[in-house]
Amino acid sequence: ETGVTQSPTHLIKTRGQQVTLRCSSQSGHNTVSWYQQALGQGPQFIFQYYREEENGRGNFPPRFSGLQFPNYSSELNVNALELDDSALYLCASSSARGASGGFTEQFFGPGTRLTVL
Amino acid sequence: RKEVEQDPGPFNVPEGATVAFNCTYSNSASQSFFWYRQDCRKEPKLLMSVYSSGNEDGRFTAQLNRASQYISLLIRDSKLSDSATYLCVVNDYKLSFGAGTTVTVRA
Repeated sequence: ETGVTQSPTHLIKTRGQQVTLRCSSQSGHNTVSWYQQALGQGPQFIFQYYREEENGRGNFPPRFSGLQFPNYSSELNVNALELDDSALYLCASSSARGASGGFTEQFFGPGTRLTVL
Repeated sequence: RKEVEQDPGPFNVPEGATVAFNCTYSNSASQSFFWYRQDCRKEPKLLMSVYSSGNEDGRFTAQLNRASQYISLLIRDSKLSDSATYLCVVNDYKLSFGAGTTVTVRA
């Protein structure tokens, strides 16, 4: 087990609704990245949070937003849900390498499977 | 052009066979590469890093060709438990994943 947890494990919503997904990072990690994995595709980078600030964003619209808390846990919020938002949402935790730059290996949580009807 | 492109397979091989597949990446400045393994409906898990000189981890061998911007994975003596989707990953602070190569090892 990676020590990264996500909740809920499954979720069903209808179009237009809003959803909040949660992630608890591995102990000692200060960075959380979120990915969306549609069926038959590889995970796509949504954004990354480092020390409570967004630290890079993929090609996702503003209705995808996030937060990171002082304990480094994180939330992903999606507003105005669309059918295409149905996917597995993965979070991954890691740590910044400090002066040498970059981040350590990313460890993934089990994911939240979101279905939008 | 996608950042990472993989041969999707599927590769259906008998136990004991050798299977190999590639991926290509678009950013010539990328420095860090991985292979992840993903089982059905589970999260990706790191299989191995890919080093410039090539590296082995048991039955798995990874190669990197910077000039041609491709990465390969070779699995020797396939086991039933090797059945999974293998994801090629480029690490540029964020992980860029290929769509995955599906391998099925049959008895």
